[in-house]
Amino acid sequence: DARVTQTPRDKVTEMGQEVTMRCQPILGHNTVFWYRQTMMQGLELLAYFRNRAPLDDSGMPKDRFSAEMPDATLATLKIQPSEPRDSAVYFCASGLGRDDTGELFFGEGSRLTVL
Amino acid sequence: GQNIDQPTEMTATEGAIVQINCTYQTSGFNGLFWYQQHAGEAPTFLSYNVLDGLEEKGRFSSFLSRSKGYSYLLLKELQMKDSASYLCAVRADSWGKFQFGAGTQVVVTP
Repeated sequence: DARVTQTPRDKVTEMGQEVTMRCQPILGHNTVFWYRQTMMQGLELLAYFRNRAPLDDSGMPKDRFSAEMPDATLATLKIQPSEPRDSAVYFCASGLGRDDTGELFFGEGSRLTVL
Repeated sequence: GQNIDQPTEMTATEGAIVQINCTYQTSGFNGLFWYQQHAGEAPTFLSYNVLDGLEEKGRFSSFLSRSKGYSYLLLKELQMKDSASYLCAVRADSWGKFQFGAGTQVVVTP
């Protein structure tokens, strides 16, 4: 059945390294979101796309984070350089925007640990 | 500013009823959603309200008052598997910009 797929599921890296997380949204969905979840902050919206165009990335630290959708089947979130405070679970979600409920479908998340 | 408030934790016994309240102040409103998240898993959709009133879906009901900026999620006939975090979320625009509350951890005891 249709689901959002994220890779990697788990990533442990050293401070200063580049991290790239990938997401395959559900086919046909036109909105894609990146969220970060920590115990302290809950789910924070980092960036979202509509029809592959970035709509809002105001929640993202611009100096080190970047989000792109090179095509309709792939969204990426990159951190360069990574820092220990970036340790969190990063969720990708997709949706149909203006359909009846517009609910979001979440991927399983990428757990990032920066040492 | 934008704010979504819900209690941090609630405990209830199996078979009981629990009501999770959510108050919100956001710059846009296009629907109020409730999601369930089990530990270590992704959030999953539970319910949606865009008009005032009660929506019932099996053991779960959700209520919305737009004038009061208030919603609640009612869980009836609690089961052990209902132990999870329940996230209140406001969709700020018609394209789905969601803002989430911090979540309410519900603990169901035997």
